[in-house]
Amino acid sequence: EDKVVQSPLSLVVHEGDTVTLNCSYEVTNFRSLLWYKQEKKAPTFLFMLTSSGIEKKSGRLSSILDKKELFSILNITATQTGDSAIYLCAVELSPYINTGTASKLTFGTGTRLQVTL
Amino acid sequence: DTGVSQDPRHKITKRGQNVTFRCDPISEHNRLYWYRQTLGQGPEFLTYFQNEAQLEKSRLLSDRFSAERPKGSFSTLEIQRTEQGDSAMYLCASSLGRQGRAYEQYFGPGTRLTVT
Repeated sequence: EDKVVQSPLSLVVHEGDTVTLNCSYEVTNFRSLLWYKQEKKAPTFLFMLTSSGIEKKSGRLSSILDKKELFSILNITATQTGDSAIYLCAVELSPYINTGTASKLTFGTGTRLQVTL
Repeated sequence: DTGVSQDPRHKITKRGQNVTFRCDPISEHNRLYWYRQTLGQGPEFLTYFQNEAQLEKSRLLSDRFSAERPKGSFSTLEIQRTEQGDSAMYLCASSLGRQGRAYEQYFGPGTRLTVT
């Protein structure tokens, strides 16, 4: 069964700290890994990673994928209270090897990040 | 606003009633997905459309659930004879979909269903 595991489950840091969130996966027919930020509403897209070792960066957030070790990390530097949210990792499966799986996303349970003053 | 929209945003219903939710995807997106999210969990896949064709349904989708996308644009998700276990956030997402590359999915604001 396809599985996505995130750690830690929750994290409390002080404003200005740097955090690293982890996502490991065991899936067949990997296509891409996506990170989303979820506040009190729907997930907001952050990054999509398809190739190993290529860092994606957006402001204070960055992410990288290791397809050999089957994990990804999401880094947030100089955290702010507005970064408080649940960060979701999801894996997309390839439709080509097993057409029955389409391109649905399999999500982890998320990491709840709280940034305090 | 050109993002994914969902209606209603909240729905409270009594057990046994039928409910229908609507999703309007981003206009140029040909793929549309429905997910369900309960407290403390990530979204779980329910079903997926490419244009008007429903290409996959999760085992989570019992026969009380039906989804349509009649003209390949908006979609509806109907739950018949609702049960308390159906209480959840129902999320719709859309994406482009062409062979040979991956596309990110963009989510709507969700419909929160409470079954009393």
